[in-house]
Formats: sequence, C-alpha cells, structure tokens
Amino acid sequence: GAGVSQSPSNKVTEKGKDVELRCDPISGHTALYWYRQSLGQGLEFLIYFQGNSAPDKSGLPSDRFSAERTGGSVSTLTIQRTQQEDSAVYLCASSFGQGAANYGYTFGSGTRLTVV
Amino acid sequence: GNSVTQMEGPVTLSEEAFLTINCTYTATGYPSLFWYVQYPGEGLQLLLKATKADDKGSNKGFEATYRKETTSFHLEKGSVQVSDSAVYFCALLHNNAGNMLTFGGGTRLMVKP
Repeated sequence: GAGVSQSPSNKVTEKGKDVELRCDPISGHTALYWYRQSLGQGLEFLIYFQGNSAPDKSGLPSDRFSAERTGGSVSTLTIQRTQQEDSAVYLCASSFGQGAANYGYTFGSGTRLTVV
Repeated sequence: GNSVTQMEGPVTLSEEAFLTINCTYTATGYPSLFWYVQYPGEGLQLLLKATKADDKGSNKGFEATYRKETTSFHLEKGSVQVSDSAVYFCALLHNNAGNMLTFGGGTRLMVKP
C-alpha cells in the first residue's frame, strides 16, 4: 500500500489476556521498527527488523513481549498476559534500511492499546 | 550512547508568533538529524531532516540547521498558525546504532488564535 498500515487502530483488552498487533509496511521497505508511546511520554524503541538478519530485540521491556516478521513483510507484535502498564500507543515504522539515514522512517497511525 | 534532549513543553504561542524549539544531541561523529510532527490523533510524520553539518532542513515554513559545533538542531518558524498545534519530536539516526532512530521526549506546541 501507499503507507504503513496498522491494525487494529484501537484495542481494549482485559488484564491477563494476550493481544496481537499487526503492521503492514510500505512495499519494498526492508527495515521495520516497533516503538511504544505511553501517555505524555516520548517514544520508546521496542524492536527492529532488517531484511533477513536477526532482529534487534534490545528494547523489549519483558519476555511477555515478542514480535515476528513473516516473509520480510508483515509484522506482528504479541503481548502476553497484558498488564495495565502496557497501555500505550504502539507505533510501527518502515524504511529502506540503509536509506533511513537519508529518508528517515515512515510511521503508521498506531494501535492504541488499553488494558482494563 | 546516543541521546536527544529537547525543551519540555507545552509551548503556548499566539498566532503569528515566532517559534523556537530547542534540540541538542549527544553522539559521536555525524548522525543524521530529523524533526517529526504528530498532529492530534495521528501518527508521526517526517517534517524535515539534515544529513550533514551546516545543512538546513526546511518544510512548511519550518527550518532547522545542523550545528555540529553546538550539537544542536533547533526548530524554528517565523509565524506559527493554529494548525501547527502538535507534538514535535527531534531525533537522530547514527550508523553506530544500526538504523534505529533515537527520539527526544517531544514538545507539545499549542497555538492560540
């Protein structure tokens, strides 16, 4: 598609449930990133995929968080046993990989997750 | 490690006022520098960028100059409009961190008519 697509746009879940957030990057972009934006906070890096390389998971806050990227395209961020502190907007972005230094990222509109 | 510091908001201005949002960074060498804007209810959009020292990025009346000597990338606009009300994020990307953007904490701008 023309932009980075994220779904769902909003998700309300009960504490303890698992959730899956989806990101469909721009076609041809080799790099994909997940960030988290908590209310009134800046952006927190979560995970980064580049081509077929092993992902950089250094930003994942706990082992309840995991992500995969199938076929070098669509990515799914999974949060198991959700907690209230997981409530945030989860942003996905993609880029041309090595071209990110010149062009930056393109962000999706995010998924607003509310854990009740 | 790399880091970005930007002025805390909110910044409240009247329409047509001059805007400066300060941004300084810590990194070795020459990172690329970016300003992103997040309008209410929307995702982040790239506003402008500069990839080497002394470059000036500009877009929609906004400007920022990459100052290596002061490690700064301050955002300026000569005359703000109500429609500029948003959160502005300064960011850097350095090849010592793969292609990962490091963001500042964001500055909320509110422009009143």
